[in-house]
Amino acid sequence: DTAVSQTPKYLVTQMGNDKSIKCEQNLGHDTMYWYKQDSKKFLKIMFSYNNKELIINETVPNRFSPKSPDKAHLNLHINSLELGDSAVYFCASSQERGRTEAFFGQGTRLTVV
Amino acid sequence: GDSVTQMEGPVTLSEEAFLTINCTYTATGYPSLFWYVQYPGEGLQLLLKATKADDKGSNKGFEATYRKETTSFHLEKGSVQVSDSAVYFCALSDGNKLVFGAGTILRVKS
Repeated sequence: DTAVSQTPKYLVTQMGNDKSIKCEQNLGHDTMYWYKQDSKKFLKIMFSYNNKELIINETVPNRFSPKSPDKAHLNLHINSLELGDSAVYFCASSQERGRTEAFFGQGTRLTVV
Repeated sequence: GDSVTQMEGPVTLSEEAFLTINCTYTATGYPSLFWYVQYPGEGLQLLLKATKADDKGSNKGFEATYRKETTSFHLEKGSVQVSDSAVYFCALSDGNKLVFGAGTILRVKS
């Protein structure tokens, strides 16, 4: 059983399109995150939700909108995609907000052409 | 804000060589510290962790000790294998999220 699963694994799309990435965790965790990994492998937090409540929104353009329908799911919707949005996006979850280790999904490689 | 600095790579070693990847941190308070590993095309996996000063985390032959006096959490392994080739990330918890270092690429040659 996959603990944190995200779909799709690969996403190739044209500039200006709108796309979504879905994430689900079956660990019973209260906190979920979206991280962005750039081409140099640097990882940066984008959003964090705790029990469906937005906790962190780190200077991310408002074209990015997370949605948490329940505490097991955290989806990421991106409007008007730009070339610079190309990256790997990781979903993660943790039992306690920021204090314990996070479990990561396999990542979604987004390529905007 | 809190930050993590780790040695730049890539680090290239021969099989069975000794590995050290340096990691230092800046934080207010006493964060938990982690090492994550990312194999090609995969997500991040927790390798080991330490939650307080002088704790030693260990897993799969890797070790790291939480040193408060030097604000360090260096990763070591006595004898690396080709299968250890990956990107290694040092991270700390700031109470709300994990803060990662830039990652160190390790390449092990047979």
